[in-house]
Amino acid sequence: EAGVTQSPTHLIKTRGQQVTLRCSPISGHTSVYWYQQALGLGLQFLLWYDEGEERNRGNFPPRFSGRQFPNYSSELNVNALELEDSALYLCASSFTGDPPYEQYFGPGTRLTVT
Amino acid sequence: AQKVTQAQTEISVVEKEDVTLDCVYETRDTTYYLFWYKQPPSGELVFLIRRNSFDEQNEISGRYSWNFQKSTSSFNFTITASQVVDSAVYFCALSDDGSGGSNYKLTFGKGTLLTVNP
Repeated sequence: EAGVTQSPTHLIKTRGQQVTLRCSPISGHTSVYWYQQALGLGLQFLLWYDEGEERNRGNFPPRFSGRQFPNYSSELNVNALELEDSALYLCASSFTGDPPYEQYFGPGTRLTVT
Repeated sequence: AQKVTQAQTEISVVEKEDVTLDCVYETRDTTYYLFWYKQPPSGELVFLIRRNSFDEQNEISGRYSWNFQKSTSSFNFTITASQVVDSAVYFCALSDDGSGGSNYKLTFGKGTLLTVNP
């Protein structure tokens, strides 16, 4: 069974540009989560999507946004890139329901902002 | 607010040694879930275990074992007879039960870098 996939693997952007990261969840999973892993800051929750809706977001500015498509894949958009946005962006997927199911992570997209 | 503390930033052991990774958590929820993930150098987080707050039984899976102690808010992870392939960053994480309109986000500790030397 295919795991969570993310694209692209690596990305280099210039400050002020915009970027879109993509994630395909494990088949059958309806929830998609985005996390940022920046050097020195650890893993921080960004966004949670379920059934096409944004269910919650972490403590990030509005220039971080995303969406989930009918096939449950997801995009993360970051506008007006700043140097501190350089990080590994991890997508995870899970079944939805109580109790919370374990999240399975993709390999990540490493974003470098210069 | 939820918080996970992994006080050990780095641990270095020699192959075949046993090693314990500490995890202490804080939460006001009565129902919550604890997780351990492994992040090898490739970067992809690998799920290891999920434990709910009502199940205090220790768990063993091969060379891995977990000790959950609610009284001390700890969920420690022990690797017995460590191997070089165990070298990775290990994260402890906490999630609430998703009720009351909250979400299932994971709150992670800072991670412990384990290096197993041959």
